[in-house]
Amino acid sequence: AQSVAQPEDQVNVAEGNPLTVKCTYSVSGNPYLFWYVQYPNRGLQFLLKYITGDNLVKGSYGFEAEFNKSQTSFHLKKPSALVSDSALYFCAVRLRSGGYNKLIFGAGTRLAVHP
Amino acid sequence: KAGVTQTPRYLIKTRGQQVTLSCSPISGHRSVSWYQQTPGQGLQFLFEYFSETQRNKGNFPGRFSGRQFSNSRSEMNVSTLELGDSALYLCASSLGGLTGTSYEQYFGPGTRLTVT
Repeated sequence: AQSVAQPEDQVNVAEGNPLTVKCTYSVSGNPYLFWYVQYPNRGLQFLLKYITGDNLVKGSYGFEAEFNKSQTSFHLKKPSALVSDSALYFCAVRLRSGGYNKLIFGAGTRLAVHP
Repeated sequence: KAGVTQTPRYLIKTRGQQVTLSCSPISGHRSVSWYQQTPGQGLQFLFEYFSETQRNKGNFPGRFSGRQFSNSRSEMNVSTLELGDSALYLCASSLGGLTGTSYEQYFGPGTRLTVT
């Protein structure tokens, strides 16, 4: 069965420090990969995607993610965290074949950035 | 460009009733997907509509249904509501095509449904 794992329920980071939010996936074939962020009482906001090509993809608000095929991972990173980055982060996959726009989401990781 | 809009934002219904939620996609987007978000199950895919046709469906009972109109607006309906249907229902729109940028889905703020 296809699945996405976000092993950490919460990540705590001091402002100005680098942050990493982890994501691993288990799907057949090579998926498309996405990161979304959700602020309280809001929908999900698209951050970045990996479709093909360079394994390091850059997205909105200074976030980037590295696709690692051998480790089936797609970790989200940011060099310097801001308090305003505090939110709920979701990793998602979409199958290349027949998946259309069906996204399979991880359980989410709550990021808390402390001043 | 206006974002995805969902109406109503909040809804309270009683068990056994039925409910209809509405989603207006970003202008030019032809694909609308629906997701259910709950604390226990997380984000789960309900279905996707593209050009008025259901293109993909998740593992939900037949009480959950949807449709899409010629202007790409979409509605989802839940009949015979159960307590477990209480959730945030999110819709997402995308171009729906076959190129990379088409895969980006943009979400609305959601409809918070409470079933009592």
